[in-house]
Amino acid sequence: EIVLTQSPGTLSLSPGERATLSCRASQIVYSNNLAWYQQKPGQAPRLLICGTSSRATGIPDRFSGSGSGTDFTLTISRLEPEDFAVYYCHQFGNLPQTFGQGTKLEIK
Amino acid sequence: QIQLVQSGAEVKEPGASVKVSCKASGYTFTNDAVHWVRLAPGQRLEWMGWIFAGSGGTQYSQKFQGRVTITRDTSTTTAHMELGGLRSEDTALYFCARGTGIGLQNWGQGTLVTVSS
Repeated sequence: EIVLTQSPGTLSLSPGERATLSCRASQIVYSNNLAWYQQKPGQAPRLLICGTSSRATGIPDRFSGSGSGTDFTLTISRLEPEDFAVYYCHQFGNLPQTFGQGTKLEIK
Repeated sequence: QIQLVQSGAEVKEPGASVKVSCKASGYTFTNDAVHWVRLAPGQRLEWMGWIFAGSGGTQYSQKFQGRVTITRDTSTTTAHMELGGLRSEDTALYFCARGTGIGLQNWGQGTLVTVSS
């Protein structure tokens, strides 16, 4: 199975700053089958980025995704107060589908 | 709007089975898949399996093979996930999610399953 390792585990930043979250896969993730989700306490995850770099419907353009092969990045250009949450990467090109352990983005 | 509404919390004894339902609305149910994902305390999200609602075809994570069954009822646009042989490690929040081939686009609210004697 493909193991996804996210870093850092916790990221402490202030509103207005730029956030860069990493997701590294133990094997190549093919065909852009990599997505990112945001989860807030007590809520279900929300799809942010699909196909490595495409924003899901309704997602603000401050969110962007990039990468290929085994290294992927989620960037939030200017943090808004509502962006502080946990972020997960997810690969769905190989079975079993797997998720990263999450990066907690907290207010500094 | 697209909604996935799950059944309520369950408390089960070890060895029992639990069946969680997921009522879909706002889209053509048979065009997409329904996935099941769980989040146990202190663990990462864990994919359990999926069903293509049109054909009823399923795929399961090998970890749960033999213990999990995912079904769907197209007349009620509802998917079900049954997990048997429950143990304390199965205590988790269980989610259904609509899969469209580009990711898990819409999620249910989650169903807490607690396994305790």
